[in-house]
Amino acid sequence: GENVEQHPSTLSVQEGDSAVIKCTYSDSASNYFPWYKQELGKRPQLIIDIRSNVGEKKDQRIAVTLNKTAKHFSLHITETQPEDSAVYFCAGWVGGTYKYIFGTGTRLKVLA
Amino acid sequence: GAVVSQHPSRVICKSGTSVKIECRSLDFQATTMFWYRQFPKQSLMLMATSNEGSKATYEQGVEKDKFLINHASLTLSTLTVTSAHPEDSSFYICSASGNRGSRETQYFGPGTRLLVL
Repeated sequence: GENVEQHPSTLSVQEGDSAVIKCTYSDSASNYFPWYKQELGKRPQLIIDIRSNVGEKKDQRIAVTLNKTAKHFSLHITETQPEDSAVYFCAGWVGGTYKYIFGTGTRLKVLA
Repeated sequence: GAVVSQHPSRVICKSGTSVKIECRSLDFQATTMFWYRQFPKQSLMLMATSNEGSKATYEQGVEKDKFLINHASLTLSTLTVTSAHPEDSSFYICSASGNRGSRETQYFGPGTRLLVL
């Protein structure tokens, strides 16, 4: 079935450094890839997304890249700040089934 | 963005009782609602997808007779955990999509923390 793998599971960076989280997906029919940030006990918040017809998208300190051939996409956070500390989830949208498949999550800690 | 609410935010119940969780889209019509379960330090696992006026589609391994889903209107879906047991304790999150944004866009509720004693 559809699967989305996410790495690393935990990531610690110094404030100001960059953080990269990677996901791979199995279903070639996936065509939309959102990234969510979830703080403890809160709802997931959409931070950036990318569609399969685009290779890269940037929004201030956050960027996402997509390699359709290799079936992987990555989240890049530059100039990290302590408030970036949270759990980040990638997801793949499978159009044929109209649902998200979520990655396993990455716990990001930004050390001040 | 669109607003989705959930009620209650947290509930504690005794084993064997049933618990109903409501998910409401406050400012848009939600033709589709999704119910997720999230155990501590784990990812969101889709339980079921419900379309307004239709029976819910459950994911493999989710008991439809235990997790009753009703989506009777374009703004309300309910999840009832019947005969809850301690292993059902979890964070339940709904999301909704509809006439706001693209079809892929899901707006998440704040979640309901269920503790079964």
